[in-house]
Amino acid sequence: DTGVSQDPRHKITKRGQNVTFRCDPISEHNRLYWYRQTLGQGPEFLTYFQNEAQLEKSRLLSDRFSAERPKGSFSTLEIQRTEQGDSAMYLCASRKDGYYEQYFGPGTRLTVT
Amino acid sequence: AQKVTQAQTEISVVEKEDVTLDCVYETRDTTYYLFWYKQPPSGELVFLIRRNSFDEQNEISGRYSWNFQKSTSSFNFTITASQVVDSAVYFCALSEARETSGSRLTFGEGTQLTVNP
Repeated sequence: DTGVSQDPRHKITKRGQNVTFRCDPISEHNRLYWYRQTLGQGPEFLTYFQNEAQLEKSRLLSDRFSAERPKGSFSTLEIQRTEQGDSAMYLCASRKDGYYEQYFGPGTRLTVT
Repeated sequence: AQKVTQAQTEISVVEKEDVTLDCVYETRDTTYYLFWYKQPPSGELVFLIRRNSFDEQNEISGRYSWNFQKSTSSFNFTITASQVVDSAVYFCALSEARETSGSRLTFGEGTQLTVNP
């Protein structure tokens, strides 16, 4: 199996710009998660998809954040009107039904200047 | 609410020493899963182990071993004969065990392990 992939790996943007990240899960994994990790901290849950349905969102996910998973395959995370506080590593993970361990991608490191 | 505490922020050892990373958790769920992940300098989180709350058997995998004690809500990780390649941040995590919900992972803040030659 190929692992979870994320694109881009790094993104530098100016405050106020919109950014979009992509995650491709492991092919037979129907559950997909987004987490955010800031320096020196553990990852924090953002949102979760089961197939194409977004079933759970964290309070961390402000109105400026939106996520989609069309057709239950890849997922995108968009941040509108970025702020400096959005600078972080955005991690995607996937798992399949009946197996609770999540497999993580390499992450997208976002820097907002 | 779920919570994971890793009290050791940083640990530094010399190669071949044994080292134990502590993890204490809180949950109201009666059935849950515990995990350890490794995050090397490259940044990608690597899954190491999953333990079910109803299975308190300790587990050994090569130089790695895990001690799960439900009575003290702890899930500690020991590396025997540490090597430089073990240098990484190690995260303990917890999730509920219900397929009807998302079973999000709740992570501790991590322990930075440095193994010196």
